[in-house]
Amino acid sequence: AAGVIQSPRHLIKEKRETATLKCYPIPRHDTVYWYQQGPGQDPQFLISFYEKMQSDKGSIPDRFSAQQFSDYHSELNMSSLELGDSALYFCASSLGAGTSNIEQYFGPGTRLTVT
Amino acid sequence: GENVEQHPSTLSVQEGDSAVIKCTYSDSASNYFPWYKQELGKRPQLIIDIRSNVGEKKDQRIAVTLNKTAKHFSLHITETQPEDSAVYFCAAYSGSARQLTFGSGTQLTVLP
Repeated sequence: AAGVIQSPRHLIKEKRETATLKCYPIPRHDTVYWYQQGPGQDPQFLISFYEKMQSDKGSIPDRFSAQQFSDYHSELNMSSLELGDSALYFCASSLGAGTSNIEQYFGPGTRLTVT
Repeated sequence: GENVEQHPSTLSVQEGDSAVIKCTYSDSASNYFPWYKQELGKRPQLIIDIRSNVGEKKDQRIAVTLNKTAKHFSLHITETQPEDSAVYFCAAYSGSARQLTFGSGTQLTVLP
């Protein structure tokens, strides 16, 4: 079965640079979630989109923005990168954002290293 | 907002023994409780979940129980195998906040 696709898998950037992470949800899934996971930490919810509209916002810094496109893929844009942004960034998708179909399936993640 | 606490942070068991991981949550509006298994550097994998209208759910060697009154839920793994070694995260989904809040994780090591 098709899974969530993320690109790139690895990214190295310098401080103050920008980065764009991409996420392609499971076919037919209309909801995308972004998470940040630091070393030894649990995934922290950043932001979600349902039917191309921002659904909910978590601990996403103002330097980050995201959107979901007409084909349901999503991009996380990160600007003015800081050393502390180094982490694994996961995208997850689900079918629907209500209470009946909220199983979230995670992509393989993008490992961002800021030097 | 939701707060999920998970215990223990590390757990070592002998192969064939059972493992139990416990979580508590704070938001009474939470109604969906998944468990994820994460191997080092890999994605969290959904292994089992339970909704607030169910008290227990089982899938082969894995079971989850939910006590909504006490706001706690547990993962039980029986007949553990070395390949069960991983970090396990519990999570709670709040219908009002519409987001998953994760516990801090349990590093499970199954000793052969």
